[in-house]
Amino acid sequence: SQKIEQNSEALNIQEGKTATLTCNYTNYSPAYLQWYRQDPGRGPVFLLLIRENEKEKRKERLKVTFDTTLKQSLFHITASQPADSATYLCALGEWGKFQFGAGTQVVVTP
Amino acid sequence: KAGVTQTPRYLIKTRGQQVTLSCSPISGHRSVSWYQQTPGQGLQFLFEYFSETQRNKGNFPGRFSGRQFSNSRSEMNVSTLELGDSALYLCASSLDGLAGGPFFFNEQFFGPGTRLTVL
Repeated sequence: SQKIEQNSEALNIQEGKTATLTCNYTNYSPAYLQWYRQDPGRGPVFLLLIRENEKEKRKERLKVTFDTTLKQSLFHITASQPADSATYLCALGEWGKFQFGAGTQVVVTP
Repeated sequence: KAGVTQTPRYLIKTRGQQVTLSCSPISGHRSVSWYQQTPGQGLQFLFEYFSETQRNKGNFPGRFSGRQFSNSRSEMNVSTLELGDSALYLCASSLDGLAGGPFFFNEQFFGPGTRLTVL
């Protein structure tokens, strides 16, 4: 069966450092992979998408890599700020049917 | 543009009852997906509607059903509620993805969710 795995342990990081989150998947051949941010009590917000033929994608302080051989995506938040504290979800799928990972909570302390 | 709205925001029901949740997508969006989110299972896909037709379905029992109206608004219904149905129910809308095929990405916009508590 298809599985998406994210580190369930919260990532505690000091302000200014780089947070790195991992998303591993099995039994998928995704055309693209997405990353979302979710704050408590709110719906997820789309952040970035990376396609299978892209190695790396950047958006402001965010960077995503995609290794289809390792079946892994890494999500980096550089120069992290307390406002980056949230849960980050990766998602795979197509045509309106997406499967989400359980998410990794990031806590950035001043 | 107004975002995705969901009503009600909070709901308390007892076991055996049924519940109907409503979702109004962003204007112009024709696809509406529903998700259940619980601490133990995370975000799980329920179903997706497009042009009033269910296009995709997740692995949930038949007690979970939905529909979409001609104005793209969607409702989901859960009958014979169980304690385990307590969750945050999220809907997400996106633009028409048919033209680009199944691997064409249309960003999903999520609503704030309906928090359902079953006692």
